[in-house]
Amino acid sequence: QVQLQGSGPGLLKPAETLSLTCNVSGGSISGHSWTWIRQPPGKGLEWIGYIYYSGGTNYNPSFESRVTMSVDTSKNQISLKVTSVTAADTAVYFCARRIPVTVGDAFDIWGQGTMVTVSS
Amino acid sequence: DIQMTQSPSSLSASVGDRVTITCRAGQNIDIYLNWYQQQPGKAPKLLIYSASRLQSGVPSRFSGSASGTQFTLTINSLQPEDFGTYYCQQNYRTPRTFGQGTKVEIK
Repeated sequence: QVQLQGSGPGLLKPAETLSLTCNVSGGSISGHSWTWIRQPPGKGLEWIGYIYYSGGTNYNPSFESRVTMSVDTSKNQISLKVTSVTAADTAVYFCARRIPVTVGDAFDIWGQGTMVTVSS
Repeated sequence: DIQMTQSPSSLSASVGDRVTITCRAGQNIDIYLNWYQQQPGKAPKLLIYSASRLQSGVPSRFSGSASGTQFTLTINSLQPEDFGTYYCQQNYRTPRTFGQGTKVEIK
């Protein structure tokens, strides 16, 4: 079955760029769209955005222009970049598959989450 | 952004109890509403989509309903493995938004 495995540096300094990847195994990245969601320690879930396998994106405006998502179909991998990080970006970052459902969409398969800490 | 408000924030119930969690949307979202369960240290798991449709593999003791802008997740006969935090999420409009979560503890 499809599995997602996120990876990336766990510790960043303020103003650096967060770069995470999510490897998709057990299925093709094509034909689906993929999302990133984060969760600050002890807090709730925040949607960052999603990317179609074709490369089209839809980002949460709260991230302004700091976020970039990309897809590499040859590697079956999606990526997330967040520039100019601050302590407020400290969170567990999840990648997930977005699927169409009866009405709308849902996130049915999730990666294990990657903890990112921003600290000087 | 569409605000999602859950109640209660936490609850404690016994095995076998019926548990009800409510989620209210800040505007009409039709039935564009999903429910997730998250256990400590794990990723969320999709339980219910489109307000009342049970995700494949999810036990039938979980159910969802909708009435206007109010949505309800019901767990019939709570089981020990049902502990965790439950989140509602609207997919009516972007940005997608989640409720603040309801933590369920087993007495």
